[in-house]
Amino acid sequence: AQKVTQAQTEISVVEKEDVTLDCVYETRDTTYYLFWYKQPPSGELVFLIRRNSFDEQNEISGRYSWNFQKSTSSFNFTITASQVVDSAVYFCALSEAAMDSNYQLIWGAGTKLIIKP
Amino acid sequence: DTEVTQTPKHLVMGMTNKKSLKCEQHMGHRAMYWYKQKAKKPPELMFVYSYEKLSINESVPSRFSPECPNSSLLNLHLHALQPEDSALYLCASSQVQGYGYTFGSGTRLTVV
Repeated sequence: AQKVTQAQTEISVVEKEDVTLDCVYETRDTTYYLFWYKQPPSGELVFLIRRNSFDEQNEISGRYSWNFQKSTSSFNFTITASQVVDSAVYFCALSEAAMDSNYQLIWGAGTKLIIKP
Repeated sequence: DTEVTQTPKHLVMGMTNKKSLKCEQHMGHRAMYWYKQKAKKPPELMFVYSYEKLSINESVPSRFSPECPNSSLLNLHLHALQPEDSALYLCASSQVQGYGYTFGSGTRLTVV
C-alpha cells in the first residue's frame, strides 16, 4: 500500500540553524513521483520540488536541498541557514504512475516548522 | 500567468444558503482538482476533472457539486452544508492528470 510518513510533527529551531525534515514513503510501483510543498499561514500550497523515481541525484536550490535515497525510501529536505520566513507547514507527497492510481497525491501528515528569531 | 486564482478568499454561509467557489487558471492545464483541508491535516482530494470531464469523485456528499464550464474554469457549488464542512478549499491544476500541480491560495469556508 502507498504511504508517506513524516514522523516529525513539529520542529522548532533558532534562525540561522540548519534543519532537516524527514520523509519516508512506501510504494510497490517502480515509477513514481515525490513532491515537497510548503504551506505558510496564509494557506496556499507552494510547490518546492518534484522528483521522479529514476532520478536519484540530490537537488540544491539556494538554501534548500533534497536528499533522495531509494535504498531507504526516503526523500529528506534540508534548509540551510534557516530564516523566519521559512516558518510553515511542509508536506511531502507521493504520486504513482500505475494505471489505476490516477496520479493521485498521497500526502504525509506534514511537519510544522517554527523558526524563532 | 503561472497562477491558480480562487475566489472568494473567505466565505461565511448559513446551512440553508447556496454559494459557489470559483477557480481559474490560464496555464493551459487540462486537469483541475478540488481539495478540502481541515486544520492541521493534509489536503483531501474531492474531485478531479481531466479534459473538462469529471474523472474522480472521492465519494463526496451531494451537497458539493463541481462544475467545469471550460478548460480554464472550475466551480464548486455548495448547498445545505453542515458546520463540519468548514475548512480550507483548495483548487489545483496540472498539465495532465498527476503532473506538476499548481495550487491556488484557497477559500476559507465557515458554515454557521
